[in-house]
Amino acid sequence: DAGITQSPRYKITETGRQVTLMCHQTWSHSYMFWYRQDLGHGLRLIYYSAAADITDKGEVPDGYVVSRSKTENFPLTLESATRSQTSVYFCASSEWGGGQPQHFGDGTRLSIL
Amino acid sequence: EDKVVQSPLSLVVHEGDTVTLNCSYEVTNFRSLLWYKQEKKAPTFLFMLTSSGIEKKSGRLSSILDKKELFSILNITATQTGDSAIYLCAVNSGGYQKVTFGTGTKLQVIP
Repeated sequence: DAGITQSPRYKITETGRQVTLMCHQTWSHSYMFWYRQDLGHGLRLIYYSAAADITDKGEVPDGYVVSRSKTENFPLTLESATRSQTSVYFCASSEWGGGQPQHFGDGTRLSIL
Repeated sequence: EDKVVQSPLSLVVHEGDTVTLNCSYEVTNFRSLLWYKQEKKAPTFLFMLTSSGIEKKSGRLSSILDKKELFSILNITATQTGDSAIYLCAVNSGGYQKVTFGTGTKLQVIP
C-alpha cells in the first residue's frame, strides 16, 4: 500500500540508550521531515531532508541524528536518550517542501525512563 | 521569533452547530498557511492558503486567509461527531522548509 509508515508504534527505553525510529514512504517524495509533538508546544520540526544525502536541522535538533541514504527511508536516532525526549514523534513527507501539504505517518510514542 | 496562535484551545458543540476556529500569526516572510485535522493518529491535510480573501471549500469545511490582519479562520457547518479532532494551523515562512505549527484547537462534537 502506498503511504508513509513509522516503526515502532510504541517504544519504552532508558536514559542513555540509543534508539532509532524508522520512517518509510512509498510515494518517492523528495522531502521528508521529523517532528515531535508535546503538550503546549504543538508540532516542532527536528530535522528535514530535501533529497537523498541532503539533510538539515529544524527547530529542535539537539540530541538527534538523521540520515537519508535512500529516498524512501529517513531514520531518526536518539544517540543517548534523555527524559526530555519523551514525546510523540511524527515523520512526514512532501513532494514540494514544508510549505506544501505534508503526509504524516501515524507516529511513534516514545517513553524514556 | 515566529508565532502561530490558535483559539479557542478547546470547544464543545452539539451536532448541527457551526463552528469557527481561529489562527493568528506573526512571522517573517509569509509564504503559506495550512490547516490539518488530527484525529487519533496522523494529521491529515485540509487546506493550503496563500492569497487573501479567497475562500477554500471542501464539503462542510471552508477556510479563508487575511494577510493584512494576519489571521485565518476555519469554518465547519452542520458539525458531525466525525468532526471531533484537533485542528492544527501551520505557517510556512522565511526559509522554504520552515513551518511553525500552532498548538491546535480541540473540537468535540456531541450528539
